[in-house]
Amino acid sequence: AQTVTQSQPEMSVQEAETVTLSCTYDTSENNYYLFWYKQPPSRQMILVIRQEAYKQQNATENRFSVNFQKAAKSFSLKISDSQLGDTAMYFCAFMKPGSGNTGKLIFGQGTTLQVKP
Amino acid sequence: EAGVAQSPRYKIIEKRQSVAFWCNPISGHATLYWYQQILGQGPKLLIQFQNNGVVDDSQLPKDRFSAERLKGVDSTLKIQPAKLEDSAVYLCASSFWGGPPDTQYFGPGTRLTVL
Repeated sequence: AQTVTQSQPEMSVQEAETVTLSCTYDTSENNYYLFWYKQPPSRQMILVIRQEAYKQQNATENRFSVNFQKAAKSFSLKISDSQLGDTAMYFCAFMKPGSGNTGKLIFGQGTTLQVKP
Repeated sequence: EAGVAQSPRYKIIEKRQSVAFWCNPISGHATLYWYQQILGQGPKLLIQFQNNGVVDDSQLPKDRFSAERLKGVDSTLKIQPAKLEDSAVYLCASSFWGGPPDTQYFGPGTRLTVL
């Protein structure tokens, strides 16, 4: 069975600085996807960034980038130029794609990030 | 494009009562998921539908939970009877079948409190 571990329950960062959130996972699969989702307080969960395991190049989305280390089963999220709106719970998630590239997400415990002015 | 809709947003019930949640996915999304998110934890999949068929319900407590998606669009999740440990946020998500790496779009959730 796959597991996802986020070892940092809470983190804080000053506005405009850079912060890295850690995630490790365990799987025997070779083909899978990894995601970071953001859940702001009392608001719905949205996708931040996605990484396909077969791609060696790290995914980037504007201020968000990942460091994907497949052999180490590590998938960290770097947020550059942090903004107050980045304050949220961040979840790392794993998915083994099934029919139609769909499948259940297996989530970590989450990291609460607070961006301070 | 309208997002995933859920209702009600909040529900408070006594233990042993029954409750139902409703979800309307994004138009054209054939795959629908129900997740349970207990406070302080990551969401856990309860059931996945492909159109009106069940793909995965391995973690659904079938003695008290049931779900259906009769016409392949809207879905309802029911708990009967509820227990204290069912207090959680119930999230509905949907995704497009057969596209590039799956992105699941989440609704706002229903926060259930069982007293």
